Amino acid sequence: AQSVAQPEDQVNVAEGNPLTVKCTYSVSGNPYLFWYVQYPNRGLQFLLKYITGDNLVKGSYGFEAEFNKSQTSFHLKKPSALVSDSALYFCAVRANTDKLIFGTGTRLQVFP
Amino acid sequence: DGGITQSPKYLFRKEGQNVTLSCEQNLNHDAMYWYRQDPGQGLRLIYYSQIVNDFQKGDIAEGYSVSREKKESFPLTVTSAQKNPTAFYLCASTQEAGWSGANVLTFGAGSRLTVL
Repeated sequence: AQSVAQPEDQVNVAEGNPLTVKCTYSVSGNPYLFWYVQYPNRGLQFLLKYITGDNLVKGSYGFEAEFNKSQTSFHLKKPSALVSDSALYFCAVRANTDKLIFGTGTRLQVFP
Repeated sequence: DGGITQSPKYLFRKEGQNVTLSCEQNLNHDAMYWYRQDPGQGLRLIYYSQIVNDFQKGDIAEGYSVSREKKESFPLTVTSAQKNPTAFYLCASTQEAGWSGANVLTFGAGSRLTVL
């Protein structure tokens, strides 16, 4: 069975510092990996996805994620955090024709 | 602008009452989905539909029902059989049907249901 884990419930970072939100996964077969962001009382918005090819994927709002097959990870990163990046971030994975599975979410808090 | 409209945004219900949440999309997407979001549990799939007049149960379908009579509409009914219905409900769609490929979900803004 496929699964995805976000080991940190919350990540705190100062504005201007780099941020990392962690995601690890377990699937049978090649994974399709996604990051979504949710602002308070809103739906999720797509940030980026990994399908194949370059392990470093660039997405919206300056975010990027690195696919690491050996560590089965897909961590979300940004070189310089903004207060407006504060939100709930979800990692999701799918393999083959299985349903999309979401992680439990990581709340990012960026302090001025 | 194309998108997904969910209504109502907030809904209060007494125990034992059924309630229907509306989801309408003007994206011409084939597939539509309902997710339930609870704090600390991520998103869980309730029902999905890949074509008009057809739908499949997700992981937590008990106590819920859906219909897909039109491509653009996928309403969710929370019945009195749902034991813990208080949650944030999200409707989503994808351009292509099927779980294969790299379909990206487009979400509505959600409906928050509170059972009193």
